[in-house]
Amino acid sequence: EAGVTQSPTHLIKTRGQQATLRCSPISGHTSVYWYQQALGLGLQFLLWYDEGEERNRGNFPPRFSGRQFPNYSSELNVNALELEDSALYLCASRNYRVAKTEAFFGQGTRLTVV
Amino acid sequence: AQTVTQSQPEMSVQEAETVTLSCTYDTSESNYYLFWYKQPPSRQMILVIRQEAYKQQNATENRFSVNFQKAAKSFSLKISDSQLGDTAMYFCAFMKQGYGGSQGNLIFGKGTKLSVKP
Repeated sequence: EAGVTQSPTHLIKTRGQQATLRCSPISGHTSVYWYQQALGLGLQFLLWYDEGEERNRGNFPPRFSGRQFPNYSSELNVNALELEDSALYLCASRNYRVAKTEAFFGQGTRLTVV
Repeated sequence: AQTVTQSQPEMSVQEAETVTLSCTYDTSESNYYLFWYKQPPSRQMILVIRQEAYKQQNATENRFSVNFQKAAKSFSLKISDSQLGDTAMYFCAFMKQGYGGSQGNLIFGKGTKLSVKP
């Protein structure tokens, strides 16, 4: 069974540009979570989608947005990139309808803003 | 809001020894889950162990076990017979049980970097 896949693996953008990160969940998982892992700051919760709807949002500015498609894959968009947006962005998926199930993570997208 | 605190940014242990990583959390919920995830240098996050708050028995997975103290809101991870492959960042995580609202959201601590030395 395929795990959570994220693309691209690495992304280099210039300050002010937009970045789009993609995540494909494990088959059957309806929930997708996005986290930002900046150096030394642990995992900061960004967004949580389930069945196409935004369920919760972390304490990030509106230029961080996303969506979930009917096949449960998800996109994270970061507009007006700033240098401090450089981080590892992790996506996780989970079967929200089944209690006690853990989230499974992808390998992340390393975003570098120059 | 829930918070998860890992007070040890870095730890080291000799191969074959035992090490305990600390985690405390703050919540007003009574039904929730706690997790320990491992992130090796390859950066792939992997679940190590899971604890359901309604269970008094501490979870164990081979060399990994937890000490869950619900009243104290403490959830420590013990690694026995440490191996070089255990070198990684370890994250403690909290998730409310149930559906709707913010249930199902995973909140992480800042992590503990564990180095296993030969």
